[in-house]
Amino acid sequence: AQSVTQPDIHITVSEGASLELRCNYSYGATPYLFWYVQSPGQGLQLLLKYFSGDTLVQGIKGFEAEFKRSQSSFNLRKPSVHWSDAAEYFCAVGPRGSSYKLIFGSGTRLLVRP
Amino acid sequence: SQTIHQWPATLVQPVGSPLSLECTVEGTSNPNLYWYRQAAGRGLQLLFYSVGIGQISSEVPQNLSASRPQDRQFILSSKKLLLSDSGFYLCAWHRDRGNTIYFGEGSWLTVV
Repeated sequence: AQSVTQPDIHITVSEGASLELRCNYSYGATPYLFWYVQSPGQGLQLLLKYFSGDTLVQGIKGFEAEFKRSQSSFNLRKPSVHWSDAAEYFCAVGPRGSSYKLIFGSGTRLLVRP
Repeated sequence: SQTIHQWPATLVQPVGSPLSLECTVEGTSNPNLYWYRQAAGRGLQLLFYSVGIGQISSEVPQNLSASRPQDRQFILSSKKLLLSDSGFYLCAWHRDRGNTIYFGEGSWLTVV
């Protein structure tokens, strides 16, 4: 069955520390991969996406993610977290050729300590 | 550029009352349109998607329905709301033959 797992429900980091949010997927073939961020009470904003090519993709707000086919993972990273990064982060996968059935992980809530 | 608008942003409705949430996309034509629901503390559940006017696919059986009366308009409705319909509803779109879904700001529905 197709699924996306974000094993960490909550993560707390100190401002200025590095961050890694984990995402693993189960899919029949390499899908399109996405990370979205949701601030409280807001819609989802696309951070970055992977379709093909370089497995390290850069996104907005200083985020990057690395696709590892052998591990079926697409972890999100940021070298230095800012207080404004506190939000919920969703990993999503979608079939190549059509994104109409994105499958979302359950989300990871990031808390930032001052 | 393309934009997506949802309204109302917040809604408090009594059990048994009707519902209408509207979503409009601007700056594109023939988008694919989606309604997602996000229950408190949970991920996103795809409710409906539409690839064209009058074409609606339902992902889960439920108390809700969707309609697409115009190319860039997507409406989520209910005749009689249940307490379990409470949640955060997100409209989304992607352009035909596109690969990325973009989301609206969401509508908070509280059924009391």
